[in-house]
Amino acid sequence: EIVLTQSPATLSLSPGERATLSCRASQSVRNYLAWYQQKPGQAPRLLIYDASYRATGIPARFSGSGSGTDFTLTISSLEPEDFAVYYCQQRSNWPLTFGGGTKVEIK
Amino acid sequence: EVQVLESGGGLVQPGGSLRLSCAASGFTFSNYAMSWVRQAPGKGLEWVSSITTDGISTYYADSVKGRFTFSRDKSKNTLYLQMSSLRADDTAIYFCAKGGGGGPFDDWGQGTLVTVSS
Repeated sequence: EIVLTQSPATLSLSPGERATLSCRASQSVRNYLAWYQQKPGQAPRLLIYDASYRATGIPARFSGSGSGTDFTLTISSLEPEDFAVYYCQQRSNWPLTFGGGTKVEIK
Repeated sequence: EVQVLESGGGLVQPGGSLRLSCAASGFTFSNYAMSWVRQAPGKGLEWVSSITTDGISTYYADSVKGRFTFSRDKSKNTLYLQMSSLRADDTAIYFCAKGGGGGPFDDWGQGTLVTVSS
């Protein structure tokens, strides 16, 4: 099973600041890495797929990069609605796995 | 508009069974793999199972293998997750999601809560 490790667990930032979230895989997932955003009481929402492609309707302030084992989700300038939990997920191998999540909270 | 709507959750005793349904609309159902993902209270996301477009192949997390069965009915655009031998650690919100394996989970339902307790 591929283990995805997200860091940090919590990121405390102010609106307008840049957020950098990391996801590290225990073995290569090629570029089959997605990022999701989840707000309290809501279903997750796909942000980025295949490491760097924004999903439909996702603002340009969200970007993804990386390949192999190291990936990054960057939010260039945090908006109030961006404070949420973010998960990475790989689809390179079965079983599909998620990272433990990074909570982006208001400082 | 893509819609995915889960139903069938509820309270069940340990060792009991439950069947979840997921009604899909707004896309060509037969063209997409589908999946279930769960989230225990206050915890992260856990992939549970995926089914291929034709329903022939299914994949399961080790934690549910042998206890859960995932199927799809193309005539009704509906998916089913038959859960048996339920345990307390199966307590979670169960989300139905479009995609899995061949693509990301690009659309999600709002989830249905399953509580396993005596």
